[in-house]
Amino acid sequence: NAGVTQTPKFRILKIGQSMTLQCTQDMNHNYMYWYRQDPGMGLKLIYYSVGAGITDKGEVPNGYNVSRSTTEDFPLRLELAAPSQTSVYFCASTALAEAFFGQGTRLTVV
Amino acid sequence: SQKIEQNSEALNIQEGKTATLTCNYTNYSPAYLQWYRQDPGRGPVFLLLIRENEKEKRKERLKVTFDTTLKQSLFHITASQPADSATYLCAPTSGTYKYIFGTGTRLKVLA
Repeated sequence: NAGVTQTPKFRILKIGQSMTLQCTQDMNHNYMYWYRQDPGMGLKLIYYSVGAGITDKGEVPNGYNVSRSTTEDFPLRLELAAPSQTSVYFCASTALAEAFFGQGTRLTVV
Repeated sequence: SQKIEQNSEALNIQEGKTATLTCNYTNYSPAYLQWYRQDPGRGPVFLLLIRENEKEKRKERLKVTFDTTLKQSLFHITASQPADSATYLCAPTSGTYKYIFGTGTRLKVLA
């Protein structure tokens, strides 16, 4: 019973590099989310999706891209990484109300 | 724009007392409001959900109230224990399923 799985758990990127954070859920949830959480701060919504093929911007979408080709997967793409993108990234999914979160990806951009 | 406010200062209480955390929101009318617990280095975990037509919800030592007139929810932990120490996040949610969270309140229960 995996729930929401994020990979990798940790990553160090150099400025200008790109990468994809992976998120997959096995609960057949329609709704999926990406958040970032800076140290001592709350969760900020980056992008969300209400179903396969449908995505929308959250509070802080700049510098990120997403796609949702299947119900299970919701990858987050960082293009041209910047130090300001150093953060912990959480993926979440929900069917109706209660959201389930992954364990997070700690990203450092140097 | 939508705004959610939680007390950003940490709340320290003595073991056995009741902890009360506040969540205020402005510029939208949520259909329901959720509370989550987050431990350091981990993702948030769902605790309780209360709908707009409910005044109060209970689960074991937890109690949530929802006042749509005041645009406020209160989250209570009775008979608090050191294991309750964590950050608690609220998420007032409208029907669009765009989940926005408050900044959270850090609770520390002193033994």
